[in-house]
Amino acid sequence: DGGITQSPKYLFRKEGQNVTLSCEQNLNHDAMYWYRQDPGQGLRLIYYSQIVNDFQKGDIAEGYSVSREKKESFPLTVTSAQKNPTAFYLCASSIGQLSSPLHFGNGTRLTVT
Amino acid sequence: GESVGLHLPTLSVQEGDNSIINCAYSNSASDYFIWYKQESGKGPQFIIDIRSNMDKRQGQRVTVLLNKTVKHLSLQIAATQPGDSAVYFCAEPTCGNTGANSKLTFGKGITLSVRP
Repeated sequence: DGGITQSPKYLFRKEGQNVTLSCEQNLNHDAMYWYRQDPGQGLRLIYYSQIVNDFQKGDIAEGYSVSREKKESFPLTVTSAQKNPTAFYLCASSIGQLSSPLHFGNGTRLTVT
Repeated sequence: GESVGLHLPTLSVQEGDNSIINCAYSNSASDYFIWYKQESGKGPQFIIDIRSNMDKRQGQRVTVLLNKTVKHLSLQIAATQPGDSAVYFCAEPTCGNTGANSKLTFGKGITLSVRP
């Protein structure tokens, strides 16, 4: 089955540690995205990549970093500089044209204590 | 599961009734709109989309209406079922760093609760 896989589903870290969230897609999509979701909030864009080896900051990129070395993978690192890292993180992909829907993974819940 | 619907506006409907979920958008130049459904603990799922050259589009049990004059979008669900209980988001393309309409922006979401 084609789709987007995020792992792990739940992740726990101590404050001050960097942590990397995995996102893999086998849909052959060019574009990939990372969103953050907090309770009672909409989705906020962290980073996006429209092609391999290129990515752009979204609305809340501070404290995060990404890489896009392969078409199918777009890992997100939550650094110790992110002030409120506890959240639900969603990865998505699309064929790359904005008039096309995003396909989402099932998210990673990150808890930092 | 993830409480993504906490503190969001809630629409409560009786099972079998029709539901109407509304969304106001801000970008008058938007030419494409999408509705997503998010169940607890899962990622959003695509429901239906509509382009700005249309006023109405129908899917299976769902209809999306677009009123460009007042920048309003609505999702109608016929014969609402318990499985329709979820958070619903509208989304539109907006300007990103790479140029016009290079990213998708989501509304805050509305929780649909279906009473048995």
